[in-house]
Amino acid sequence: GAGVSQTPSNKVTEKGKYVELRCDPISGHTALYWYRQSLGQGPEFLIYFQGTGAADDSGLPNDRFFAVRPEGSVSTLKIQRTERGDSAVYLCASSLGTSGMGNEQFFGPGTRLTVL
Amino acid sequence: AQSVTQPDIHITVSEGASLELRCNYSYGATPYLFWYVQSPGQGLQLLLKYFSGDTLVQGIKGFEAEFKRSQSSFNLRKPSVHWSDAAEYFCAVGLAGNNRKLIWGLGTSLAVNP
Repeated sequence: GAGVSQTPSNKVTEKGKYVELRCDPISGHTALYWYRQSLGQGPEFLIYFQGTGAADDSGLPNDRFFAVRPEGSVSTLKIQRTERGDSAVYLCASSLGTSGMGNEQFFGPGTRLTVL
Repeated sequence: AQSVTQPDIHITVSEGASLELRCNYSYGATPYLFWYVQSPGQGLQLLLKYFSGDTLVQGIKGFEAEFKRSQSSFNLRKPSVHWSDAAEYFCAVGLAGNNRKLIWGLGTSLAVNP
């Protein structure tokens, strides 16, 4: 079966523009996660969905970042008024989502965002 | 605050040599522990995980890791490294309870000499 897919694979935008990054999780996975990975760093947690609702959005850096998952499958990470510091690889992961940490998170290949 | 430390930013080993990558964590309770590998152009792949029980866990690709509570460590080991093991390795901690977010180390870049 297909793994986690993310589109686009690369996105170049100008400072101040709005961008949307899409994540398609593995079919049947109810939990979905967004992470951000800057150059030379480990991934940094942004937000986690269980079904349609955001169970933990404590990692979103500010109110320019927003994510949705309206039907409990595909998720979109939205960034308003992009800044050069938003440049990073945005990673999406999904897991089966039963209670606790027992379920492996499967990662997509990421979207590389470059803000000029 | 919870944190994960990978003291070695970059390691070079010869093919066939043994490998140990270090990971230390800071957390008030026993966390869930993970090692992931990231190859160029590839997504993160889980090598192994520890939740409870036997403190020596076996993973894929011949890797193993040992949880040492007294040292707050979860070091990754492989007895004989292959050239294809060259990649970035990340240690991650998952917190207790239903919060599933992972806290990550900065990673260790592994180079393998032929």
